[in-house]
Amino acid sequence: QKEVEQNSGPLSVPEGAIASLNCTYSDRGSQSFFWYRQYSGKSPELIMFIYSNGDKEDGRFTAQLNKASQYVSLLIRDSQPSDSATYLCAVNMGNSGYALNFGKGTSLLVTP
Amino acid sequence: DTGVSQNPRHKITKRGQNVTFRCDPISEHNRLYWYRQTLGQGPEFLTYFQNEAQLEKSRLLSDRFSAERPKGSFSTLEIQRTEQGDSAMYLCASSLAAHSTDTQYFGPGTRLTVL
Repeated sequence: QKEVEQNSGPLSVPEGAIASLNCTYSDRGSQSFFWYRQYSGKSPELIMFIYSNGDKEDGRFTAQLNKASQYVSLLIRDSQPSDSATYLCAVNMGNSGYALNFGKGTSLLVTP
Repeated sequence: DTGVSQNPRHKITKRGQNVTFRCDPISEHNRLYWYRQTLGQGPEFLTYFQNEAQLEKSRLLSDRFSAERPKGSFSTLEIQRTEQGDSAMYLCASSLAAHSTDTQYFGPGTRLTVL
């Protein structure tokens, strides 16, 4: 079973700070990487996807991918209390698979 | 674009009963996925369709589970002879296959409680 590992947290950051969320994966064939946000009792909401090594920025969010290290991260700048949620890292299964393998998620708490 | 919809949103059933859930994907999305999520875990892949064809099923999927997408639009997931371990949130996602990308958007989920 291919693994996607995340620190479960909770990760606590003050409002306005940068939150850094990390994820490692074991399937070297994976090509697509996603970050979803999930509020308690709700379904996952797509934040960002990244396919190429390097950084990808979208507003306050930056995804970073390093395929050699099998590592993907999400940075949230200027964190807001409304960012408090569980962040799920997801990786496609295998070289051409489309189904996603999810980590257990990291709980983020942004304190005012 | 109305998003992915799922019905019912909540289902309580007794052990041994059969249940069926429905998912309506985003219009024009040709891929449809089913996942299951339990408390404290990430979603777990169950199966997916491209149009009406079921292309992949998780090896962990019990034969009590069956899914259909008869006309390539909505899909149903049926669980026969439910067990307490089937209690979970059942999530449906859809995507539009385009080249090598596949970005999945989730519906609100159906929460199943088996008593």
